[in-house]
Amino acid sequence: SQTIHQWPATLVQPVGSPLSLECTVEGTSNPNLYWYRQAAGRGLQLLFYSVGIGQISSEVPQNLSASRPQDRQFILSSKKLLLSDSGFYLCAWQPPGGLETQYFGPGTRLLVL
Amino acid sequence: ELKVEQNPLFLSMQEGKNYTIYCNYSTTSDRLYWYRQDPGKSLESLFVLLSNGAVKQEGRLMASLDTKARLSTLHITAAVHDLSATYFCAPKTGANNLFFGTGTRLTVIP
Repeated sequence: SQTIHQWPATLVQPVGSPLSLECTVEGTSNPNLYWYRQAAGRGLQLLFYSVGIGQISSEVPQNLSASRPQDRQFILSSKKLLLSDSGFYLCAWQPPGGLETQYFGPGTRLLVL
Repeated sequence: ELKVEQNPLFLSMQEGKNYTIYCNYSTTSDRLYWYRQDPGKSLESLFVLLSNGAVKQEGRLMASLDTKARLSTLHITAAVHDLSATYFCAPKTGANNLFFGTGTRLTVIP
């Protein structure tokens, strides 16, 4: 069966510090991968998606970036965090073809102070 | 820009009662997803509706899709406390991306 992992689970970072969040998927090949952010009490906002290694599409302009160095690894990064980057970051995977649902990881809760 | 509106945003209902959550979206989409989120947790997939007229049921929840009206509904039958959560609808946009609604926070009270 497939599983999706995210780490860290929680993170408290000062403004201006760098960020690296990691997401890995097991038990599948060539998945579509997604990064979402959820602000407190709000819906989800798609940040990045990837259909293959090295292929990243950005949905919103921001100080975040994403990379996919391996088939089942998706990384979200920032060089300098802003207060507004605080939120719940969710990674999701979807089988190739896109007809099935997106399966979400446990999430990383980020607080920027 | 795609807009997704859920109605109501907050719903408090008694156990045993029925209710419907509505999801309206502003542009053409041939597929729609429903998710559930418990407080502080990630999202759990409930339904994938793949075509106009699709209806799916799981336990006390039933979802439907009308792509012509750009409307999906999530019907709750005989609510129980365990259904308390936030429910999100998400129509597909572009290739395979989902655009999430505002969410409906459901509280089922005894």
